[in-house]
Amino acid sequence: NAGVTQTPKFQVLKTGQSMTLQCAQDMNHEYMSWYRQDPGMGLRLIHYSVGAGITDQGEVPNGYNVSRSTTEDFPLRLLSAAPSQTSVYFCASSYRAQGAIEAFFGQGTRLTVV
Amino acid sequence: GNSVTQMEGPVTLSEEAFLTINCTYTATGYPSLFWYVQYPGEGLQLLLKATKADDKGSNKGFEATYRKETTSFHLEKGSVQVSDSAVYFCALSRYTGTASKLTFGTGTRLQVTL
Repeated sequence: NAGVTQTPKFQVLKTGQSMTLQCAQDMNHEYMSWYRQDPGMGLRLIHYSVGAGITDQGEVPNGYNVSRSTTEDFPLRLLSAAPSQTSVYFCASSYRAQGAIEAFFGQGTRLTVV
Repeated sequence: GNSVTQMEGPVTLSEEAFLTINCTYTATGYPSLFWYVQYPGEGLQLLLKATKADDKGSNKGFEATYRKETTSFHLEKGSVQVSDSAVYFCALSRYTGTASKLTFGTGTRLQVTL
């Protein structure tokens, strides 16, 4: 019963490096999202997808790219890492039930950019 | 736009004390409301939800009532335990016809001591 799986759990990058955070879900949900969590700011939406081939920007998209080629996978790419991107990143998979969206979160990736 | 305001923490309580964490929201239309809990080192888990006015969500002894007249969704528990120590996030979602995104509050840390 995997749910939402994120890899890696921890990562240290140097400024300017690129990397991809992986997210996979096995619940056949249409919606997937990426959030970043920073102290005192809650979770902020980076990018989201409403289905394979469809993505859109959230609240804080700059510096990040996403794609959704399959229902299961929703990777987040950091193009050129900056210290301001030091954060904990959460992927969520969601579905609509009884008029409300219900989200399931991965365990997070703690990223440090030095 | 949509927003969620939570009381600032940390909240420190003795075991068996009564808990209230305040949450108010701003949204157009009729959002769905949620409480998520994040235990140390883990992702967010849905604690309870309410999809329309006057609904009461409940789970694991926690309750919250959707009050449209006061735009509030306060979390309560009659007797907290040490195991309830975590960060609690209030959130709302509103389906727009193409997507439904979650908007989170900043989180309230609860610490329960013996």
